[in-house]
Amino acid sequence: DTGVSQDPRHKITKRGQNVTFRCDPISEHNRLYWYRQTLGQGPEFLTYFQNEAQLEKSRLLSDRFSAERPKGSFSTLEIQRTEQGDSAMYLCASSTTGTNTQYFGPGTRLTVL
Amino acid sequence: AQSVTQLGSHVSVSEGALVLLRCNYSSSVPPYLFWYVQYPNQGLQLLLKYTSAATLVKGINGFEAEFKKSETSFHLTKPSAHMSDAAEYFCAVSVGAGGYNKLIFGAGTRLAVHP
Repeated sequence: DTGVSQDPRHKITKRGQNVTFRCDPISEHNRLYWYRQTLGQGPEFLTYFQNEAQLEKSRLLSDRFSAERPKGSFSTLEIQRTEQGDSAMYLCASSTTGTNTQYFGPGTRLTVL
Repeated sequence: AQSVTQLGSHVSVSEGALVLLRCNYSSSVPPYLFWYVQYPNQGLQLLLKYTSAATLVKGINGFEAEFKKSETSFHLTKPSAHMSDAAEYFCAVSVGAGGYNKLIFGAGTRLAVHP
């Protein structure tokens, strides 16, 4: 069990560019969550996958954001046409059916210039 | 709707002193409650969780929390602070439908520990 991993850990981009983040959950965890954390705030829920199905999306997830989890393993979060307001830490968590404990990755810190 | 309020965005204690971080929740159903700790530039680490078993929950690193339904509180305590406890602490309530549980977090409390 190597824990939840995220890549990259840091990303600096210019406004208007597209970025993609990857999350690898704990092996055999069928549930995967994305959260966004802005400076001085707690994480906010973005979206949830059970296996490969995306079952809920927050209103925070505008149409510039898209998330996928092909084959129910790793997940990607893409932000198109980034804006300065997208600057935040993007956290991924995973859990398994029958437990309500989410294990978090180290996060990807996005800075949009 | 479920929500969490953490009283005090910053708490400062001396090494060896009692740590008390406050969390109040709002939930229309029996809640699952969590405390996570976050060190700088890192993800969240689970300290402890309440899942309707014992009201006094013991976690890692000497932390514990007591669920008080009458006060809708889930305060985090540690008898004696260590320098290594300096971090940001988040209280969260589990909100779920259809068998999963997204977390609703408070704004966090930054704990400073002074020698």
